[in-house]
Amino acid sequence: EAQVTQNPRYLITVTGKKLTVTCSQNMNHEYMSWYRQDPGLGLRQIYYSMNVEVTDKGDVPEGYKVSRKEKRNFPLILESPSPNQTSLYFCASSPAIPNYGYTFGSGTRLTVV
Amino acid sequence: QQQVKQSPQSLIVQKGGISIINCAYENTAFDYFPWYQQFPGKGPALLIAIRPDVSEKKEGRFTISFNKSAKQFSLHIMDSQPGDSATYFCAAGQYNFNKFYFGSGTKLNVKP
Repeated sequence: EAQVTQNPRYLITVTGKKLTVTCSQNMNHEYMSWYRQDPGLGLRQIYYSMNVEVTDKGDVPEGYKVSRKEKRNFPLILESPSPNQTSLYFCASSPAIPNYGYTFGSGTRLTVV
Repeated sequence: QQQVKQSPQSLIVQKGGISIINCAYENTAFDYFPWYQQFPGKGPALLIAIRPDVSEKKEGRFTISFNKSAKQFSLHIMDSQPGDSATYFCAAGQYNFNKFYFGSGTKLNVKP
């Protein structure tokens, strides 16, 4: 089954403790992206990657890092999480030209206390 | 600056009614306007999309209306069903650059 897999689904952590949210896709997509979803703000792009070793900032990149060492994986790293990063996070992928739109993962609910 | 403005934030419709969600954008370079549907606990999924060379696109009970001069587009759900209850996001952007901006979302509740 074609899918984007995120882990973990739920995570509660403390301020300052580094964490990584993993994202993997099995569709050989070139493009991958991370979004955060907050009430009233919709989906805001954090980082995206057009291909292996090619990443760029989205609209809200502060406090996040990413890497794209393999085509299928695009982890999101929070080196020093803060409470304002409490959110619902989604990973998405698509071919270079999104002819069938984005395929999203099921989301990661992160709480930073 | 919000690239795509979506309204209303929430919507309650009776079964069989018409649900209408509106979006507006500013950037005239945008050339692709998808709508995504998100059920609780799931990621968004592409519902329907339109290019600006047409004013309307229909897929089943779902229709996008597009007004290029006003820079507005809307989603109409005809004969709304309880199973349509979900959050809907519009998006706008540049297709060949694969760069899109999402609206703030509309939570639709269709009452039986």
